[in-house]
Amino acid sequence: KAGVTQTPRYLIKTRGQQVTLSCSPISGHRSVSWYQQTPGQGLQFLFEYFSETQRNKGNFPGRFSGRQFSNSRSEMNVSTLELGDSALYLCASSSAGGGYTFGSGTRLTVV
Amino acid sequence: KNEVEQSPQNLTAQEGEFITINCSYSVGISALHWLQQHPGGGIVSLFMLSSGKKKHGRLIATINIQEKHSSLHITASHPRDSAVYICAASLIGNQFYFGTGTSLTVIP
Repeated sequence: KAGVTQTPRYLIKTRGQQVTLSCSPISGHRSVSWYQQTPGQGLQFLFEYFSETQRNKGNFPGRFSGRQFSNSRSEMNVSTLELGDSALYLCASSSAGGGYTFGSGTRLTVV
Repeated sequence: KNEVEQSPQNLTAQEGEFITINCSYSVGISALHWLQQHPGGGIVSLFMLSSGKKKHGRLIATINIQEKHSSLHITASHPRDSAVYICAASLIGNQFYFGTGTSLTVIP
């Protein structure tokens, strides 16, 4: 079966702009979670969505937001980009009680 | 203090050696995860544990809930095992805390 698909793979944006990243989960998985990975902070949990509802949120400013659609696809939005938002953004999907399958990530560079 | 601590940070082994990576956590967890990340960023979920021991090929993961400690073992290590191994604790509600990772290099 198809894995978790993240688009785009690479993105370059300018400070102050906004960006939207997309994550398509494995078919049948209703939970999608998002993570940020930077060299300085490592992996950090952003938020998790289940059946179009945000179930949990990490410690990130309100500039980071997300949503999930009825087909379980999820988008993550970062507004007013800062240089420090440059990172690898990963999403993972899971089924109830199951393990997590990660996407290949979107590498965002803010210049 | 980090909720999840991993050791060692870096590890170099000769091909064929037995490898152990340790993870300690300070929070109450619903599950403990071991992840593998190769250069280029892709992450693979190796194990999800809530008790006992799991084995997949040459990889074994154990967890001691009372001691809040987990280990990842690699038997007969191979250069293709070279990667960063990350321990992650998931709490009820699917909040995650990650260790800083162990960078493993296996030399032929």
